[in-house]
Amino acid sequence: AQSVTQLGSHVSVSEGALVLLRCNYSSSVPPYLFWYVQYPNQGLQLLLKYTTGATLVKGINGFEAEFKKSETSFHLTKPSAHMSDAAEYFCAVSDPPRDDKIIFGKGTRLHILP
Amino acid sequence: DAGVIQSPRHEVTEMGQEVTLRCKPISGHDYLFWYRQTMMRGLELLIYFNNNVPIDDSGMPEDRFSAKMPNASFSTLKIQPSEPRDSAVYFCASSSPVPGGGYTFGSGTRLTVV
Repeated sequence: AQSVTQLGSHVSVSEGALVLLRCNYSSSVPPYLFWYVQYPNQGLQLLLKYTTGATLVKGINGFEAEFKKSETSFHLTKPSAHMSDAAEYFCAVSDPPRDDKIIFGKGTRLHILP
Repeated sequence: DAGVIQSPRHEVTEMGQEVTLRCKPISGHDYLFWYRQTMMRGLELLIYFNNNVPIDDSGMPEDRFSAKMPNASFSTLKIQPSEPRDSAVYFCASSSPVPGGGYTFGSGTRLTVV
């Protein structure tokens, strides 16, 4: 069965510092992987996704993530945090070719310190 | 594309009243999902449809909850009778037939039952 584990329900970084949000998954087949972001009082928005091909994927707002099969990880990074990055981030996994049911992690709230 | 449209954005109702939440998915998307989000339980999948047919309703908490999708462009989630513990943000999401596309979420309905 698929599952997603996000390490740390809250992460704090200083403005300008590296952002690293950790995600590990469990899947019986090479998965599709997603990161979603939720700003206050808004719905979830797709940040980036991995389906096939290049394992380093770039998303919106300068975020990127790398699929590492050997580590079953899909960590999200951004070189320099901005105050506007404060939000909740969800890692998610689905099993192709049927990805009718995406499994979401419990989320990591990112706090940006001035 | 107007995205996934949910109404109302906010709903305040008294305990025991019927509540109906509405969702218009993106045209051409054949999957529709209803989620509930609370601080305590996080993001929970309630039910999802494929081509207007309910596929999995195992997340529906009680018989007080029901969902319908009479056509490809409209779905409702009904709570009757409502209880204070139903207070949450309810999200609708839709996805396309293209594998790996991920979900597009609506902005949510914040339900408060007093």
